[in-house]
Amino acid sequence: EVQLVQSGGGLVKPGGSLRLSCAASGFTFSSCSMNWVRQAPGKGLEWVSSITTSSYEYYADSVKGRFTVSRDNAKNSLYLQMSSLRAEDTAVYYCARVGDCRVNLRDNRFDPWGQGTLVTVSS
Amino acid sequence: QSVLTQPPSASGTPGQRVTISCSGSSSDIGSNVVHWYQHLPGTAPRVLIYSNNQRPSGVPDRFSGSKSGTSASLAISGLQSEDEADYYCAAWDDSLKGCVFGTGTKVTVL
Repeated sequence: EVQLVQSGGGLVKPGGSLRLSCAASGFTFSSCSMNWVRQAPGKGLEWVSSITTSSYEYYADSVKGRFTVSRDNAKNSLYLQMSSLRAEDTAVYYCARVGDCRVNLRDNRFDPWGQGTLVTVSS
Repeated sequence: QSVLTQPPSASGTPGQRVTISCSGSSSDIGSNVVHWYQHLPGTAPRVLIYSNNQRPSGVPDRFSGSKSGTSASLAISGLQSEDEADYYCAAWDDSLKGCVFGTGTKVTVL
């Protein structure tokens, strides 16, 4: 069974840092592009970042220069290092695999998703 | 980051057909495939339709998708109470080099 289990959320002060993790199982992690999506309280879904199998990184303008996505294929894990956090980064963060690992990122859906982890940025 | 435009809400009685629109531009929907997600509060989103009109296994055939030019739509026929949820369209944007989501539509079953 394909599973994505997230960890690392919590409360952090503005300007602080936090690292989210996403542990994958049930598929060949190194063969699949991975993604981060968030949902702020009362808001819609917002794409945050993607990383391809060759570790090419993509970022939303809202997090560029502050967030860094990475992967450790040996540990079957995806990470999101978040720094210079702002109140507007408060959200539930989801990791998601692409639906078909043979298809390029641009044409791919996000499936499955992790359970989500809450990040709260507040003093 | 640009977003795709959806109506904020849609509703219908059980058994009715509901359609949700998703409007984009030449750099997103006009150039790339569209996916649709269902999101229930407190759960992870799940894909309902991918590549404009493909249904993953396990998704009822009551859900269908279409795309024309820079717009797409999701139809739910035979509306059921368990279809009450938020629905989002999504597509890759070639200009932004990233994914864009729709603004979301809350479906209510009356």
